[in-house]
Amino acid sequence: DAMVIQNPRYQVTQFGKPVTLSCSQTLNHNVMYWYQQKSSQAPKLLFHYYDKDFNNEADTPDNFQSRRPNTSFCFLDIRSPGLGDAAMYLCATSTGASGGSTDTQYFGPGTRLTVL
Amino acid sequence: AQSVTQLDSQVPVFEEAPVELRCNYSSSVSVYLFWYVQYPNQGLQLLLKYLSGSTLVESINGFEAEFNKSQTSFHLRKPSVHISDTAEYFCAVSNTDKLIFGTGTRLQVFP
Repeated sequence: DAMVIQNPRYQVTQFGKPVTLSCSQTLNHNVMYWYQQKSSQAPKLLFHYYDKDFNNEADTPDNFQSRRPNTSFCFLDIRSPGLGDAAMYLCATSTGASGGSTDTQYFGPGTRLTVL
Repeated sequence: AQSVTQLDSQVPVFEEAPVELRCNYSSSVSVYLFWYVQYPNQGLQLLLKYLSGSTLVESINGFEAEFNKSQTSFHLRKPSVHISDTAEYFCAVSNTDKLIFGTGTRLQVFP
């Protein structure tokens, strides 16, 4: 089945130790998104790629970076995780056919990050 | 700026009872509206969406939502819930290339 895969499902890191979360998709979608979801809060968009074009949200901290080496893969790098970065990180994709506004987004199961 | 409000963080209900999950949005321009559902240990998946046309939209598993422009609402309803409907439900709005989500409503269906 075509899907969005996130690895690992659970990640534990130490305060200040860089960590990378990965996302892959078999849908061949143009757009890939990264969201941060803290407990009892709405998913918050961090950034997205439209093909190779990177779009950063204005309030995304510099501590968060992303890479998209090819259509299928997208990575979220947290350079120096703080305690406040503990959250569920969601990856999603969409076709981008309509410019994005009416597209259905397809989500992976998420990676839960714990910072010790 | 757009925003979405889901006033009910949790909705407990007995099986076969009707349910309504409330969603209100604010936007100065036309928007598209979505409901996503997140089952335990799974990612979010689209339940239904309103883009244009009929203000009443339906999902394949019996949920429906009605776009009410005057009340800026997009409430989700089901006349008779099942245990399997237990999940987190997120309302979202879009008019650009991104979604703005509400904080979610946890629907808990009891036998």
